[in-house]
Amino acid sequence: LAKTTQPISMDSYEGQEVNITCSHNNIATNDYITWYQQFPSQGPRFIIQGYKTKVTNEVASLFIPADRKSSTLSLPRVSLSDTAVYYCLVGGTGRRALTFGSGTRLQVQP
Amino acid sequence: DAGVIQSPRHEVTEMGQEVTLRCKPISGHNSLFWYRQTMMRGLELLIYFNNNVPIDDSGMPEDRFSAKMPNASFSTLKIQPSEPRDSAVYFCASSWTGNDNQPQHFGDGTRLSIL
Repeated sequence: LAKTTQPISMDSYEGQEVNITCSHNNIATNDYITWYQQFPSQGPRFIIQGYKTKVTNEVASLFIPADRKSSTLSLPRVSLSDTAVYYCLVGGTGRRALTFGSGTRLQVQP
Repeated sequence: DAGVIQSPRHEVTEMGQEVTLRCKPISGHNSLFWYRQTMMRGLELLIYFNNNVPIDDSGMPEDRFSAKMPNASFSTLKIQPSEPRDSAVYFCASSWTGNDNQPQHFGDGTRLSIL
């Protein structure tokens, strides 16, 4: 299985940019990198997905270096409502792509 | 559009009883996933279906757990007999798997408590 490593927790303040890095040294050629967000009492919600370089949507940006052994989720100008657990998943098909790690618990302070 | 619908949202029952969790995936999705989440073990994949066929059930903890998908719009996860250690939040998710890597859409889960 593609193993990922993320910080257990992060703290930030409203209005700041938050960058969460995920390490995935054994990423395979066909693997994509997918990030989910989970609020308490809710199921995970898809945020962004990428294969290489940079991907941006209305919520976040995903930066992937050339070697693809890590990726960084960037949340611009966070608010209190961004307090959640963020998961990085790596894989192509099957169980490899469906393994959630421990995630990063982001706490945004006023 | 309606998302993934799970029922019940909460279930409290005594050990030894049969528990049935239900899931209605998003219309048009052809893959369905059952997960279990606990504080100790995090979010674990139990089983997933593609076109109503179970593809990987290696995450099902033991024979007390079974899952079915009789048609494209309905799935059940059954625990019989239930035990206190089965207490967890159970999530169902669905996706379109034509190409790889389509994101999953999760329901709000069923919080199960076995007394």
